[in-house]
Amino acid sequence: QQQVKQSPQSLIVQKGGISIINCAYENTAFDYFPWYQQFPGKGPALLIAIRPDVSEKKEGRFTISFNKSAKQFSLHIMDSQPGDSATYFCAASSASKIIFGSGTRLSIRP
Amino acid sequence: DAGVIQSPRHEVTEMGQEVTLRCKPISGHDYLFWYRQTMMRGLELLIYFNNNVPIDDSGMPEDRFSAKMPNASFSTLKIQPSEPRDSAVYFCASSILAGVYNEQFFGPGTRLTVL
Repeated sequence: QQQVKQSPQSLIVQKGGISIINCAYENTAFDYFPWYQQFPGKGPALLIAIRPDVSEKKEGRFTISFNKSAKQFSLHIMDSQPGDSATYFCAASSASKIIFGSGTRLSIRP
Repeated sequence: DAGVIQSPRHEVTEMGQEVTLRCKPISGHDYLFWYRQTMMRGLELLIYFNNNVPIDDSGMPEDRFSAKMPNASFSTLKIQPSEPRDSAVYFCASSILAGVYNEQFFGPGTRLTVL
């Protein structure tokens, strides 16, 4: 019940395209859903996050879509750029504990 | 603020040796987390502290692992004795709870290699 399932494991997108990463959770007690971005040799850093009372949140080229009834959420990166190449982790949180997905390695081809 | 500070950045040791990883959280943060990252298992939460008190250590893999937080500005993760399967990147993160938001700030990590 504590798992967060993330797909795909890796993703290659052409520059300017849309990158889409999906996650699903089981525990309905989760109340905060962040996405973290990690560059090689660095620690993960918060990219964008959403609460379950909204269905979408957009920050620049990054959008989270949230489907509470399906217990699924996704990250969309519009106009993907080579600088977006990184590993992305979805996560689900309650209180102060975060459960991370397994990560998606995103590569943007120039 | 300098962010979360971890030391050492790289550690190479031989099987059976004791390893101590160190972390200084961001000043004012009440929560401190230790994570392990490997290709096979991804990012795993090992243990976390609230106000220097261990709250959940269910992710600690076995008794060879121990963590302490003697004060608000310092924490250690110790492995004794170390084994090759402990090779991973270990991250420390800190956060301040504000409502339901829970952004964690990660350090740069310690890459541990056990030969």
